[in-house]
Amino acid sequence: DAKTTQPNSMESNEEEPVHLPCNHSTISGTDYIHWYRQLPSQGPEYVIHGLTSNVNNRMASLAIAEDRKSSTLILHRATLRDAAVYYCILRDTGTASKLTFGTGTRLQVTL
Amino acid sequence: DTEVTQTPKHLVMGMTNKKSLKCEQHMGHRAMYWYKQKAKKPPELMFVYSYEKLSINESVPSRFSPECPNSSLLNLHLHALQPEDSALYLCASSQGRSLMNTEAFFGQGTRLTVV
Repeated sequence: DAKTTQPNSMESNEEEPVHLPCNHSTISGTDYIHWYRQLPSQGPEYVIHGLTSNVNNRMASLAIAEDRKSSTLILHRATLRDAAVYYCILRDTGTASKLTFGTGTRLQVTL
Repeated sequence: DTEVTQTPKHLVMGMTNKKSLKCEQHMGHRAMYWYKQKAKKPPELMFVYSYEKLSINESVPSRFSPECPNSSLLNLHLHALQPEDSALYLCASSQGRSLMNTEAFFGQGTRLTVV
C-alpha cells in the first residue's frame, strides 16, 4: 500500500473545528482515501472515505487536494468524545482486502 | 444490527493453555479479519477470510490458528503462546472482498494476557 504521513498528535479546543492533515504523495489513481478513528479502549471505527471529490457525512468532511497527494479530515465542532487516534489509510487495488493502519494522529480535545 | 461481537472481553492464559477467541457478526458480511494491537501501536493485520476461505495470512506464527465455521463466525485458536503475544485482538468484518470503497466494522476486542 502507498504510504501516508500524519502528525503524531494535535490539540483542539472543544466546539472548535479541527483539521487533521494526511500526506500521501505516492497515491495511485485508483487508491481510495479512508479515515478511521479509535477511541480509548475501543476498536477502530470508520469515519469517511473518498476518491477524488470532497465528501461529507454526519461525522466529518473529507477534503481531497486536486492532485490527490494530500487530504484533510475536518471535524466541524470537536467535542470531548472526538478525542481519539485518527488513521488515514489508502486502499490499493492490489491489496483490496487489506486495511493497513499507519501510526495515526492522536487528537486531544480540551475544554 | 451493525455490531461485531467479540468474546471474551478479557482473557488470561498460561503458556501451555489452549484457548479460543470468538467473533460474530450478523450483517451478512462475507469478509472477516483478525488484527493484533499492542499498546500505543496501530492495529496489525493477521488474517483475512473471504467467503469462509482464508485469503490472507500475514506470516502469523502457527500458534495462532484461525477458523471460519460459517459466514457469521470467526474464531482464533490459541496454543502455546508467549508473553509477547499479550495484546488486544480485534475482529472486523466488511461487506465484500474489496475494502476499496466499503467500510470495515470492528469489534471491541479481546484483551489477552499470556502469563
